[in-house]
Amino acid sequence: QKEVEQNSGPLSVPEGAIASLNCTYSDRGSQSFFWYRQYSGKSPELIMSIYSNGDKEDGRFTAQLNKASQYVSLLIRDSQPSDSATYLCAVNPRDSSYKLIFGSGTRLLVRP
Amino acid sequence: DADVTQTPRNRITKTGKRIMLECSQTKGHDRMYWYRQDPGLGLRLIYYSFDVKDINKGEISDGYSVSRQAQAKFSLSLESAIPNQTALYFCATSDPSQGPEAFFGQGTRLTVV
Repeated sequence: QKEVEQNSGPLSVPEGAIASLNCTYSDRGSQSFFWYRQYSGKSPELIMSIYSNGDKEDGRFTAQLNKASQYVSLLIRDSQPSDSATYLCAVNPRDSSYKLIFGSGTRLLVRP
Repeated sequence: DADVTQTPRNRITKTGKRIMLECSQTKGHDRMYWYRQDPGLGLRLIYYSFDVKDINKGEISDGYSVSRQAQAKFSLSLESAIPNQTALYFCATSDPSQGPEAFFGQGTRLTVV
């Protein structure tokens, strides 16, 4: 079992819709969770971090964390074609203060 | 200017050649990392360094070496490049006082032929 799992996609949504990206992780003691956006050929860019159960909103983005289910998600409201990218989930495991374990990413396509 | 700068941005090299990828940062972070990214495999950690005197292997360090020349500089070497080292390489930094979030350089696309 991979430590951080994401559906590779592509996830295709129409412009203006809500895109829902999901991530599961194996280390129950994981401390903190991150979403990175990566455009093709570019570097990952941090867009959201979440540390406690529940929702965290930042503009059109909402991160949701459920530690009991070992599940973290990213919702993108009013999706725009410029949101088309690969979204990487990253998890900080219990045994490390420095290490991030990355999922392989979900490719999102927003259709105009 | 980018906070984390990698050079070169693209490189094609031949099998068996030694190659060095360089990374410098102006963020003032103590921690620096080298990752490689392959399609479908996500980002995998090669080496990391907490300061100039502290260098550690990551999950895929075989075939690679690193040097931390200064707090701001961290270089990755492929001693004898092989084709399966063809990948996108990223340098990253973090500041433990701000959490484990990593901040990435622009990447180096390396092709070994």
